[in-house]
Amino acid sequence: NAGVTQTPKFRILKIGQSMTLQCTQDMNHNYMYWYRQDPGMGLKLIYYSVGAGITDKGEVPNGYNVSRSTTEDFPLRLELAAPSQTSVYFCASSWDGELFFGEGSRLTVL
Amino acid sequence: KQEVTQIPAALSVPEGENLVLNCSFTDSAIYNLQWFRQDPGKGLTSLLLIQSSQREQTSGRLNASLDKSSGRSTLYIAASQPGDSATYLCAALPMTTDSWGKFQFGAGTQVVVTP
Repeated sequence: NAGVTQTPKFRILKIGQSMTLQCTQDMNHNYMYWYRQDPGMGLKLIYYSVGAGITDKGEVPNGYNVSRSTTEDFPLRLELAAPSQTSVYFCASSWDGELFFGEGSRLTVL
Repeated sequence: KQEVTQIPAALSVPEGENLVLNCSFTDSAIYNLQWFRQDPGKGLTSLLLIQSSQREQTSGRLNASLDKSSGRSTLYIAASQPGDSATYLCAALPMTTDSWGKFQFGAGTQVVVTP
């Protein structure tokens, strides 16, 4: 049972480039989330989804887009990367109020 | 809006001492409260989940209590070891309709256990 899988684990982007962080879960959870964690800070919610085809903004959605075409996958798209998007990104899913996290993706924008 | 606070932000104890970590939340209407451990540069590992109908949960040396009326959860780690050094975060799931599904995280308590 793989749980929540994120790729890539590390990525360096140049300012203005775009990329997609992939997230997939094999637990058939309806709820999925993207968080970012800056050094020494807590987690901030970027986007979340309550099921296939349904997404909504979190606290810090600017500069990001998501889609949810299947229950399993919840990719996060960064358009026109900026240094402020340097962070660690965590994907998570939940079932009955319990959160399950991926291992994180460390993104650096130079 | 639910706010979650963890005080202190950092804590250092000698090996063998019991650890007491606090998590406060402003709205008692929560569905669950979950404690996580995060090692430097790593992901979040779930430690304990307390449902709103429960008062505590235990796993090995870890015990977490929940007092909704006072808006507090406490994580106890008995007989601390250097391997317990990590950041501990709590997350509350509000029960309100407009916040359903949106977990609120504390900023974490960074723990160092010295040999």
